[in-house]
Amino acid sequence: AQSVTQPDIHITVSEGASLELRCNYSYGATPYLFWYVQSPGQGLQLLLKYFSGDTLVQGIKGFEAEFKRSQSSFNLRKPSVHWSDAAEYFCAVGKYSSASKIIFGSGTRLSIRP
Amino acid sequence: DADVTQTPRNRITKTGKRIMLECSQTKGHDRMYWYRQDPGLGLRLIYYSFDVKDINKGEISDGYSVSRQAQAKFSLSLESAIPNQTALYFCATSDSKEHQGETQYFGPGTRLLVL
Repeated sequence: AQSVTQPDIHITVSEGASLELRCNYSYGATPYLFWYVQSPGQGLQLLLKYFSGDTLVQGIKGFEAEFKRSQSSFNLRKPSVHWSDAAEYFCAVGKYSSASKIIFGSGTRLSIRP
Repeated sequence: DADVTQTPRNRITKTGKRIMLECSQTKGHDRMYWYRQDPGLGLRLIYYSFDVKDINKGEISDGYSVSRQAQAKFSLSLESAIPNQTALYFCATSDSKEHQGETQYFGPGTRLLVL
């Protein structure tokens, strides 16, 4: 069965520092992988997704993520965070050709230290 | 204008009441979904619909029902609300013909409090 683990419930980084949010998945085949961001009081916005091809995926707002099959990971990175990046981040894994089978991780809340 | 809208955005109701949450989309997508979000649990799928005549239960459908009135509208009902249905509810849509992989797009959410 599919599953997604985000091991960090809450992370605090200083503004301007680099960021890496961890995501590990369990799925028997090549997964579809997503990162969404939820700002306070807002819905989920898609940051980036991986379906095939280049394992380093560029997204919006300066984010990127790398799919590592050997580690079953899809970590989200940003070289320099801004105060506006404070939000909750969700990793999700989807089953090929079945959008209904998307499983979300429990989320990582990111706080930014001035 | 937002592509996926949800009404109401906030709702307080009492135990035993019937309520309906509505979702509309202008994206022209054929597939629609309802999720609930609880702190520390991520999002869990309640119901999904692949077209107007195709409705399916998700992982937590007990206590909920849905109606797909048109391709653009998908409503969620709580027939008799109970306090543990207090949560943030999200509607999402996707296009089965999307190239580069089908992706779900979310509405702004409805915050529901059941007293």
